[in-house]
Amino acid sequence: GAVVSQHPSWVICKSGTSVKIECRSLDFQATTMFWYRQFPKQSLMLMATSNEGSKATYEQGVEKDKFLINHASLTLSTLTVTSAHPEDSSFYICSASAGRTYNEQFFGPGTRLTVL
Amino acid sequence: DAKTTQPPSMDCAEGRAANLPCNHSTISGNEYVYWYRQIHSQGPQYIIHGLKNNETNEMASLIITEDRKSSTLILPHATLRDTAVYYCIVRVANRGSNYKLTFGKGTLLTVNP
Repeated sequence: GAVVSQHPSWVICKSGTSVKIECRSLDFQATTMFWYRQFPKQSLMLMATSNEGSKATYEQGVEKDKFLINHASLTLSTLTVTSAHPEDSSFYICSASAGRTYNEQFFGPGTRLTVL
Repeated sequence: DAKTTQPPSMDCAEGRAANLPCNHSTISGNEYVYWYRQIHSQGPQYIIHGLKNNETNEMASLIITEDRKSSTLILPHATLRDTAVYYCIVRVANRGSNYKLTFGKGTLLTVNP
């Protein structure tokens, strides 16, 4: 149990275009989903936290108008990178929490974004 | 959340036990120790967590010192597939809460044949 999927697994786009990444909890309802970004040889950095049906909470330094997060249901959250530029190229990872006793976060496999 | 300190890298022979240390000297009484690992180009995987008692599951054992200022993750029989970056994270865990995880640099464990 506790499987989280992401789609697509990788994407290449041209500078200036927008890219949407989906994160789904397959076998549980996720009260909260998190979006992380990881640059090469660096650790994961939390970008934002989203609860179903409410606005996401962004970490300091993350542009909310550039990284649009929608958490419309208990099993789906989406991250849209708007007007992507080469510096947005990164590994984007989502995680989901079911709000159970110890609140383990279950991570998706990640999405590799390359902006040309 | 309390800060953790881990060695940047460790090596282990295949089949041997891998013991990964973590220091968390500023841990608070209500903070748990969580361990995750990240295999290259994959999302992190939850391994184990504990408060003050030693814990064991099908993946690993977690040994927490009596003063809770440090802990050790033990992989009893390391395999090549255990090569990954291992993260020790300290945070509060309450029912219904959704506290975020703060990842440090972790320990790169390399299991050698």
